[in-house]
Amino acid sequence: ELKVEQNPLFLSMQEGKNYTIYCNYSTTSDRLYWYRQDPGKSLESLFVLLSNGAVKQEGRLMASLDTKARLSTLHITAAVHDLSATYFCAVERNYGGSQGNLIFGKGTKLSVKP
Amino acid sequence: ETGVTQTPRHLVMGMTNKKSLKCEQHLGHNAMYWYKQSAKKPLELMFVYNFKEQTENNSVPSRFSPECPNSSHLFLHLHTLQPEDSALYLCASSRGTGGADTQYFGPGTRLTVL
Repeated sequence: ELKVEQNPLFLSMQEGKNYTIYCNYSTTSDRLYWYRQDPGKSLESLFVLLSNGAVKQEGRLMASLDTKARLSTLHITAAVHDLSATYFCAVERNYGGSQGNLIFGKGTKLSVKP
Repeated sequence: ETGVTQTPRHLVMGMTNKKSLKCEQHLGHNAMYWYKQSAKKPLELMFVYNFKEQTENNSVPSRFSPECPNSSHLFLHLHTLQPEDSALYLCASSRGTGGADTQYFGPGTRLTVL
């Protein structure tokens, strides 16, 4: 059974600081997605990582994937208040009849304070 | 309307009521999904439809009954629900289910079962 663990689950950081959110998963997959959810809103796609060593960057966020370690990271550089949200990673099953289905982590609730 | 829309946005129902949630996607996608988002639990996949055919039922109780009349519309019929079914129900769509297709989410229906 594919399990996805994110840590930390809660992160309070100051503006201007750097931090990393980790996403570990339990079985083989080479497709991983990061989503953002603002309070009361839906999930917004941030990054799609489709191979080992994939790195994507958008603004102050950078995501990477290490399929051998079954680990993805979401790095935040010089955080600003607008980045406050809950961030989810989701791993895609790539076996059997459930190919394409996503298993989500619990999410990391990020709060950026001045 | 663009993207994925859901109605109603909020729903309060008694345990003996019957209600339906509606989802519509305007992206030309072929796959649609229902997810349940509860407090303190990861986002849970409920049902997957691809080209109107159900391809996944993630052990969902029969009091939840999905319907997909075409690739653009997805319904979730609810009857005799329990208070623990109170949650945010999210609909998503993607180009396909073969893998590596980003899922785009609707705003969700906040369901409260009294």
